[in-house]
Parts: sequence; structure tokens; C-alpha cells
Amino acid sequence: AQKITQTQPGMFVQEKEAVTLDCTYDTSDQSYGLFWYKQPSSGEMIFLIYQGSYDEQNATEGRYSLNFQKARKSANLVISASQLGDSAMYFCAMKDDYKLSFGAGTTVTVRA
Amino acid sequence: EPEVTQTPSHQVTQMGQEVILRCVPISNHLYFYWYRQILGQKVEFLVSFYNNEISEKSEIFDDQFSVERPDGSNFTLKIRSTKLEDSAMYFCASSEGRAKSIQFTPGLFGEGSRLTVL
Repeated sequence: AQKITQTQPGMFVQEKEAVTLDCTYDTSDQSYGLFWYKQPSSGEMIFLIYQGSYDEQNATEGRYSLNFQKARKSANLVISASQLGDSAMYFCAMKDDYKLSFGAGTTVTVRA
Repeated sequence: EPEVTQTPSHQVTQMGQEVILRCVPISNHLYFYWYRQILGQKVEFLVSFYNNEISEKSEIFDDQFSVERPDGSNFTLKIRSTKLEDSAMYFCASSEGRAKSIQFTPGLFGEGSRLTVL
């Protein structure tokens, strides 16, 4: 079974600064995929970024980038130039056969 | 942009009552999922559905839960006799391919249905 670990329950970041959210995973599969989702206070789940295990380059989507270190089994999300609207819960997830397995999440609060 | 839609957005029910949560997945998607998120906790997988049958279910998905695709567009989650601990946000998701396949899309989630059991 896949396991996702997010060790940071909450983080504060100053507006316009970058923040890194940690995610480590455990799998015996050679082929896998990792996702990050954002969940604002309104509750919806918003897909941010995806990294496949065979992707040679780190994924980037606008201000989001994924620092993928395969040997360490980590897939940290970097949010650059934080904005007040980035305040939310962030979940790391891994695809596992028919489903996604989620980490416990990290709450990010952006301060003005 | 296509999206997964869920109804109702919020439902309050009495313990022991039956609840049906509805989802309209994206039209060309073949795999459908229900996830649950108890307030303040992580998102948990309940069930996946493909080709009119359950492909995988978690230990949470016991006999009081059922899913069906009654008319080719809706995908429903029924909770037969609700308990207090069923209070949660329920998310529907859909994808083109199986999670492990190359064709797997991120799993587009609906906005969720918040269930409150009193």
C-alpha cells in the first residue's frame, strides 16, 4: 500500500516570499505519480501539479513547482511569490491503482 | 472547461436516515470515485467504479454504503442508515483512465457535498 507523509501541519509565509511544503512517499512500484491539491476554506479540491516517476524534469505550473527527489522519495511543492489567496490546506497525493492516496495536509497561511 | 458537479452542496439529516449524494462526472470519463473528508482530517478514499461495477473499495465502505450509475450520467453514493460519524465532506471525482494507467487524468474533483448528521 502507498503511504504519503506530510510532516508540517501548518506554515506561515510572508506575502511575496516562497514557501516549500514537504511530502515524502513510500512505494515499491517503479511507475507512480504524485499530485498536489489545494483546498481553500470553501472546501473544494483544486488540482495544482503532477509529477510522474519517469519524468526527467521537475514539474512546473506557473508559481507552483515540484522539487522531485526520487532517491529520497520526496516530492516537495514550492510556491513562489506567495499571495494572500494561497492561504489554504495543501495535500500531497499518490496514485495507487484505482485511487489516490492522500497525505494529512499542510495548512498555509500567507501574511500581508 | 468541463467539471464534475455534485448535489446537494450541503445536507443535514437525522441519524438513521438514508442519504443519497449525487454526482455528474465529466462526460467522456470512465472511472468514478467517491472520497470522504471528515472535518480537519485528510481525504480518504471510499470507492472506485468502472464499467458499472465497483473496482476497488476501502474498509470504510461497508454495507451501509452503495454506489450506482442509474442513468449513464449520474453517479450516486447512498448511505443507508446514517450515523453521526458519517458527518463529512464527500467528494466525487472522475478520470479518463485507471489511476495507474498513463491515461490517468488528475482526478478532477467536484466541489463536494457536506453531510451533517444530527
